Amino acid sequence: DAKTTQPTSMDCAEGRAANLPCNHSTISGNEYVYWYRQIHSQGPQYIIHGLKNNETNEMASLIITEDRKSSTLILPHATLRDTAVYYCIVKPGAGSYQLTFGKGTKLSVIP
Amino acid sequence: NAGVTQTPKFQVLKTGQSMTLQCAQDMNHEYMSWYRQDPGMGLRLIHYSVGAGITDQGEVPNGYNVSRSTTEDFPLRLLSAAPSQTSVYFCASSTQGLSKNEQFFGPGTRLTVL
Repeated sequence: DAKTTQPTSMDCAEGRAANLPCNHSTISGNEYVYWYRQIHSQGPQYIIHGLKNNETNEMASLIITEDRKSSTLILPHATLRDTAVYYCIVKPGAGSYQLTFGKGTKLSVIP
Repeated sequence: NAGVTQTPKFQVLKTGQSMTLQCAQDMNHEYMSWYRQDPGMGLRLIHYSVGAGITDQGEVPNGYNVSRSTTEDFPLRLLSAAPSQTSVYFCASSTQGLSKNEQFFGPGTRLTVL
């Protein structure tokens, strides 16, 4: 699976958009970008995933660059409950289930 | 649905003791897996199963055994606990369909080996 690079930590003001970047320059054509988050001491939670088109769901938006070498997770209106470690994971799609977690980005939402 | 449940939530063992961490899911998911998370680190895959009777090793399988006799249950056994196995253990499950492969994680078991 392709390797990902994320900043160690980020701060965001409550109510503002949180933009979390991820570099995955070695991504291959059949690999998806997945985002999970882990709120303190809990099990990770799926957020969103995409292949090459931008995606949006009730939790977040995912913007993937045209060359697919990087992506950005957007939380449109961050709340204190969004404080967590966010993991960007690249893996093949259907048929592959193993998630390779890096250290992620620690997002702190500030009141 | 209860989702993915894990027991116990906390456990303290002495070196050399054995124990089984329990994991169950009620979503009829074919895929189940075990991860461990050490302080300040991401999760690492220990073992996984793509269905009843089928298991395979992940990144860090040494010191752990698994079996999958039913779709619902996927226990993780520590045969002879070592201090290096002090960690938080997460179980996860997922459907095998052509959907998003969203994995559902349990709340974790916090294990300390003295």
